[in-house]
Amino acid sequence: SAVISQKPSRDICQRGTSLTIQCQVDSQVTMMFWYRQQPGQSLTLIATANQGSEATYESGFVIDKFPISRPNLTFSTLTVSNMSPEDSSIYLCSVAGLLAGGPGQETQYFGPGTRLLVL
Amino acid sequence: SQQGEEDPQALSIQEGENATMNCSYKTSINNLQWYRQNSGRGLVHLILIRSNEREKHSGRLRVTLDTSKKSSSLLITASRAADTASYFCATDENSGYALNFGKGTSLLVTP
Repeated sequence: SAVISQKPSRDICQRGTSLTIQCQVDSQVTMMFWYRQQPGQSLTLIATANQGSEATYESGFVIDKFPISRPNLTFSTLTVSNMSPEDSSIYLCSVAGLLAGGPGQETQYFGPGTRLLVL
Repeated sequence: SQQGEEDPQALSIQEGENATMNCSYKTSINNLQWYRQNSGRGLVHLILIRSNEREKHSGRLRVTLDTSKKSSSLLITASRAADTASYFCATDENSGYALNFGKGTSLLVTP
């Protein structure tokens, strides 16, 4: 399995500002993803973070609002830009495809999430 | 887009009883995964079942998959108060590892 950490764990931000969330994995992985979970809702995929190239965004999510970086196989960032109260959510990083091998390459492991409140 | 749909949305049982949650999906899949989430925290992976498998066990968990009906069930036997959480099913879409999550079942196990 993989151990994933996210920073910050929570934050309260003012509207119009931006917040960058970091995701760190303890081993190299092929796939990294960012999800959003709005209050009382399920998870929605924002984008797939691609190493060395632009992220692949899902319908309804755009790079200008959610820029993503993935400089290597163990780290990614998600920025929530020009925030509004509607961005208040839990943002979760997940990974799959551990390069160390082993069974269950499709298994997706999640970080603890970043709880964001926008005032 | 969300694909999986769990039912029931909420389930309340007593310790020692079994809990069954169901998940339906719409398109072809490579695999289906079940996750647990405690109080809005991170998701814990419970079990993955592949499209060519019909049943899988892990401790007190039993998962079934019926691809003809596009449905799966998660059975938790001899439930404990610590099993109180939200349970989600998630499917891939044959195109990669990204997951589509259902709306989840909120399970409450009372002592």
